[in-house]
Order: sequence, then C-alpha cells, then structure tokens
Amino acid sequence: GAGVSQSPSNKVTEKGKDVELRCDPISGHTALYWYRQSLGQGLEFLIYFQGNSAPDKSGLPSDRFSAERTGGSVSTLTIQRTQQEDSAVYLCASSLFGGGYGYTFGSGTRLTVV
Amino acid sequence: EDKVVQSPLSLVVHEGDTVTLNCSYEVTNFRSLLWYKQEKKAPTFLFMLTSSGIEKKSGRLSSILDKKELFSILNITATQTGDSAVYLCSYSGAGSYQLTFGKGTKLSVIP
Repeated sequence: GAGVSQSPSNKVTEKGKDVELRCDPISGHTALYWYRQSLGQGLEFLIYFQGNSAPDKSGLPSDRFSAERTGGSVSTLTIQRTQQEDSAVYLCASSLFGGGYGYTFGSGTRLTVV
Repeated sequence: EDKVVQSPLSLVVHEGDTVTLNCSYEVTNFRSLLWYKQEKKAPTFLFMLTSSGIEKKSGRLSSILDKKELFSILNITATQTGDSAVYLCSYSGAGSYQLTFGKGTKLSVIP
C-alpha cells in the first residue's frame, strides 16, 4: 500500500479481554516495528521484525504481549488479559531495510482498557 | 533512566514567533539523531542528523547537531498554527534497528 495502515484506529475493551491490533506495512518494506506511546511518554520500542522473524522481543512488556508477522507483510500484535496500564497508542512503522532509520509510521491504534 | 531528554516539555507561542526546541542524548554508539513531528497519531519524519555542525534546513524548519556536547536543536521561524504538534527527538545507535525517543515537546501556536 501507499502508507502503513493500522486497524482498528480506536479500540475500547474490558479489562481481562484479549485484543488484536493489525499493521499492514508499505509493500516491499522488509522491516516492521511496533512501538507504544502512553500518555505523556515518548515512544517505547516493543518488537522488530525482519521479514517474518523477530530477532528481538525484549521490548515486549510482559508475556501477555505477543506479535507475529506472516508472508513478510501483515503483522498482528496480540495483548491477552488486558490491563488498564495497557491503555496507550500502539504505533507500527516499516522501513525498506532494518537499521533504525527510514521509518514510515502508521496512524496507530488507540487502545483504552476500561 | 532517560537517554533522550527534550526541553521544554511544552511551549505556547504566537504566530510569527521563532522557537527553539532542545534535545540532549546519551548513547555509547551514536549513529544518527532524528526529529519527527506528531500532529495526531502518526509521527512524520523531519530531519536525520549524523554530522556535527551541519545545519539541515527545510523551509522554516532547521536543525543542527553537536556530537561533542550531545545535543541537537530544532528551530522553527515565523511559526504558523499548522506548526502546532508534538516534536519528537530520537537517536539511532550503531548496529541497532530501533529508535530511542524522548518524551517530546508539545508546541502550541496561537493566532
């Protein structure tokens, strides 16, 4: 696609429910990144994919968080048994290569856990 | 422990004013410093700086890096209401694939 597409744009869920956030990167971009932005905070790195592989999952805040990428394209971030502290904007970015530059960000998913 | 510190955290100016946003960083294997503008949700790229003392310029925006003192500034001249946004500073370390961000400076430009 022309840009990085994320869905849904907003999600309200009850505490304890599971949620899935989707990211569709720019076509041909091999690298894909997930970040989280809590209120008043900077962007916090969660996970990086190169192709379908995630070399570094250390940014995931707990084992309730998981992510996968299939076909070197679409990625899904899953949060199980959501907690109120999971409320944040979840941003996805992609780049042609890895290396921490040349990112294009999506518009994010605003997750609210009530 | 913050590795990227931005100041001020928020700023309110009138249209036509000039503003300077500050970013200091601490990293052992520095590669580049990047500025982003975040108006609603999606940060958009402004500048990437790798060398000290070389000003990058785009219209009314400019930025410069001081690798010795470990800081960067972003200048915006003749501000407009459309400049209202959160400005994010980040760095990329050598061999790294992730960016480390500061908390941002929220700029509000009032008519």
